[in-house]
Amino acid sequence: EPEVTQTPSHQVTQMGQEVILRCVPISNHLYFYWYRQILGQKVEFLVSFYNNEISEKSEIFDDQFSVERPDGSNFTLKIRSTKLEDSAMYFCASLFGLNQETQYFGPGTRLLVL
Amino acid sequence: DAKTTQPPSMDCAEGRAANLPCNHSTISGNEYVYWYRQIHSQGPQYIIHGLKNNETNEMASLIITEDRKSSTLILPHATLRDTAVYYCIVKVIQGAQKLVFGQGTRLTINP
Repeated sequence: EPEVTQTPSHQVTQMGQEVILRCVPISNHLYFYWYRQILGQKVEFLVSFYNNEISEKSEIFDDQFSVERPDGSNFTLKIRSTKLEDSAMYFCASLFGLNQETQYFGPGTRLLVL
Repeated sequence: DAKTTQPPSMDCAEGRAANLPCNHSTISGNEYVYWYRQIHSQGPQYIIHGLKNNETNEMASLIITEDRKSSTLILPHATLRDTAVYYCIVKVIQGAQKLVFGQGTRLTINP
């Protein structure tokens, strides 16, 4: 069964460093998402992406964040200058679209900013 | 904010049916009810969704009241692997809008 994959599974970085989290959505899906979950808190929406542009973003998704679909398979989340409060699980999700409205999530990347 | 209300926690004995309630009294006519679950810190896993009719798949059944203001997710024969946080989410039918997660119900299956 097709699934969303994410790499790396864990990443440790120093405050102020740039990180890139990678996702490979399900191959025929058209809509892509990033969510995050700070430890002990609920899953929060960050951004959605369709047709090579951002379709919606939350207040969390400030200028330090960017997303890109550099090729036909990868979907990346970049944090330019990480802060301690960026430590969280980051989940990628994808959706086929065209009235198939179920989002499928990847296993997540655990980011720890020291 | 999430438009659903769920009990924070529930327990169920292994092998019994787990019935998880959800209130969504402000649901609109164009909104589906979705259920996801999250095991440990894994990615949320889709379970089932419905509009107004009861739905069943290989994982669970979804019972939606006639007025659509509440629903119940039923895991017919719960196993220890069903221990997870279960999220009830309402979302418009059309489009690819974000999912808005609440705190969910932490379901513990006891041996």
